Amino acid sequence: QVWLQESGPGLVRPSRTLSLTCSVSGTSVTDQNYFWSWIRQPPGKGLEWLGSISHTKGTNFQPSLSSRLTMSLDTSANHFSLRLTSVTAADTAVYYCAREPGSLDYWGQGILVTVS
Amino acid sequence: DIQMTQFPSTLSASVGETVIITCRASESVSHWVAWYQQKPGKAPMLLIYKASSLEYGVPSRFSGSESGTEFTLTISRLQPDDFATYYCQQYHTYSTFGQGTRLE
Repeated sequence: QVWLQESGPGLVRPSRTLSLTCSVSGTSVTDQNYFWSWIRQPPGKGLEWLGSISHTKGTNFQPSLSSRLTMSLDTSANHFSLRLTSVTAADTAVYYCAREPGSLDYWGQGILVTVS
Repeated sequence: DIQMTQFPSTLSASVGETVIITCRASESVSHWVAWYQQKPGKAPMLLIYKASSLEYGVPSRFSGSESGTEFTLTISRLQPDDFATYYCQQYHTYSTFGQGTRLE
């Protein structure tokens, strides 16, 4: 059974860096059929795709965030990570990780990150 | 950026009815559109991919279709469990979600 779980701090100070990790089980981050994605959802609002990383560690980012966003893949630990620099209150959201064979077929439960 | 305009934003219906939710893409996305259902406090769940392909385990009362740059999600014979928020997504160029439709 495929399972994804986000982890990281729930509170980040403004101007600091937000770092999250997505632990993956039941599937491998080295599988060439998938990208590994991050999506966020501000409280009470809609979904925003942030970016994705492939098994070759190639990345695609939301253009509006590309200057602040980094993603990495740890094949030995079977997890992938997100770093978002210079955060503001506008980055407060539930952050989800997901498996992406094009669409997003498996999602983590989400983690609320508050910038304050 | 490709925009996905989703409507209506809110939809009122009753159990047993059929409803249609629409997304219009700002440019061609071929058939690279997915639909998701989200319930409060939960992650979205994939319903439809490639515009009209039903995800494994999703009831057949959910269906998707496309006509040019317009995509629809049809939910037939509404069940109590179907009242939720629905999102479309294009994944032709990067990825963009529609604004969501709350089905009440």
